[in-house]
Amino acid sequence: EVQLVESGGGLVQPGGSLRLSCAASGFTFSSYSMNWVRQAPGKGLEWVSYISSSSSTIYYADSVKGRFTISRDNAKNSLYLQMNSLRDEDTAVYYCASDGSGSYYNPLFDLWGRGTLVTVSS
Amino acid sequence: QSALTQPASVSGSPGQSITISCTGTSSDVGSYNLVSWYQQHPGKAPKLMIYEGSKRPSGVSNRFSGSKSGNTASLTISGLQAEDEADYYCCSYAGRVVFGGGTKLTVL
Repeated sequence: EVQLVESGGGLVQPGGSLRLSCAASGFTFSSYSMNWVRQAPGKGLEWVSYISSSSSTIYYADSVKGRFTISRDNAKNSLYLQMNSLRDEDTAVYYCASDGSGSYYNPLFDLWGRGTLVTVSS
Repeated sequence: QSALTQPASVSGSPGQSITISCTGTSSDVGSYNLVSWYQQHPGKAPKLMIYEGSKRPSGVSNRFSGSKSGNTASLTISGLQAEDEADYYCCSYAGRVVFGGGTKLTVL
């Protein structure tokens, strides 16, 4: 079955860190660019970060630049998001999503995980 | 404020057609036909419905169609059904990857 499964969410205090993981199965993970997209409670979707299939190209939203780091391990079919200096406004469900176009300039998120909830609160 | 503007809500009766707009600028939506559309039911992950403006992924009903006029992309749902009630988001590159604010579709 083709699927993405996120893990690693939870409750963390402001200023803390968390590492999200996304396990891919059922498709050739190493051939696809990947993204993280988040959704704050009751709010819309917000793109967070992009990584190309070879990790050679990486982009971040301004809201997380300098605090979050995206990475991947193609041998383990896994995508990661290291989140540091977390803020209240980072509270959201975080989805990993595969990019069917292969181009950052043509966002096409064709497969999504079910998401993992990150809550930043004291 | 999103760089892509969508109406907050639309509604329609079963069997009718509705259109959701997504307005950008001449630098993004107006220059390229690369808008994608996502459907999201409450508590569920988004689902790709339209990509590159008007293309439908395999498995998506042909009741869903996409188009563009000027700086505005549109998603049209024909033959409205109860299960179409959901939130809909457009997405495009506009200096960065950006989603529209979302449109809540209510089937009356």
